[in-house]
Amino acid sequence: NAGVTQTPKFRVLKTGQSMTLLCAQDMNHEYMYWYRQDPGMGLRLIHYSVGEGTTAKGEVPDGYNVSRLKKQNFLLGLESAAPSQTSVYFCASSKREPRRTDTQYFGPGTRLTVL
Amino acid sequence: GESVGLHLPTLSVQEGDNSIINCAYSNSASDYFIWYKQESGKGPQFIIDIRSNMDKRQGQRVTVLLNKTVKHLSLQIAATQPGDSAVYFCAGRSGGSNYKLTFGKGTLLTVNP
Repeated sequence: NAGVTQTPKFRVLKTGQSMTLLCAQDMNHEYMYWYRQDPGMGLRLIHYSVGEGTTAKGEVPDGYNVSRLKKQNFLLGLESAAPSQTSVYFCASSKREPRRTDTQYFGPGTRLTVL
Repeated sequence: GESVGLHLPTLSVQEGDNSIINCAYSNSASDYFIWYKQESGKGPQFIIDIRSNMDKRQGQRVTVLLNKTVKHLSLQIAATQPGDSAVYFCAGRSGGSNYKLTFGKGTLLTVNP
């Protein structure tokens, strides 16, 4: 049981390039989330999904797109990377069961640098 | 909305001492709180949670206290060990949202041997 995994672990992009970050979970969780973490800012929610085929915007969605084609995977895309998107990105997942939904389990993170 | 913050950005303690990390929240409708531990280069790890119908919850060496009157919660770590050195986050959920958490900025706990 690997929990939540993320690929890649590190990536350097040039401004304007595109990339996709992959998150996978093997806990059969319904809900999945993408956060970014910046120094002094805490974790901020980018997008989230409450089930396969559904996505919704979080606190800072601009410049990102997501897809949830399979229950276990949640993809985060950057169509045209900007230096402001330099950050550490975390994926998380949680159950849908009543009173169990709230605890989110996190992946190890992807460190992205945009030059 | 929810605003969650921490009183101190850093905390330094001696090994074996008890640590107390504080957190304040702004939304009186918040009904669920979590404490996470994040070690350098890793993702946040769940420590303990508490719902608003409780004042206190204990885990292994950790205790969370919730004071709804002043909208404050704290994480107490007993007999702090070097392995406890990490950044600690509190997160809160507003009552109207089933699954979105608002995170504080974190407190860096350093345990001196």
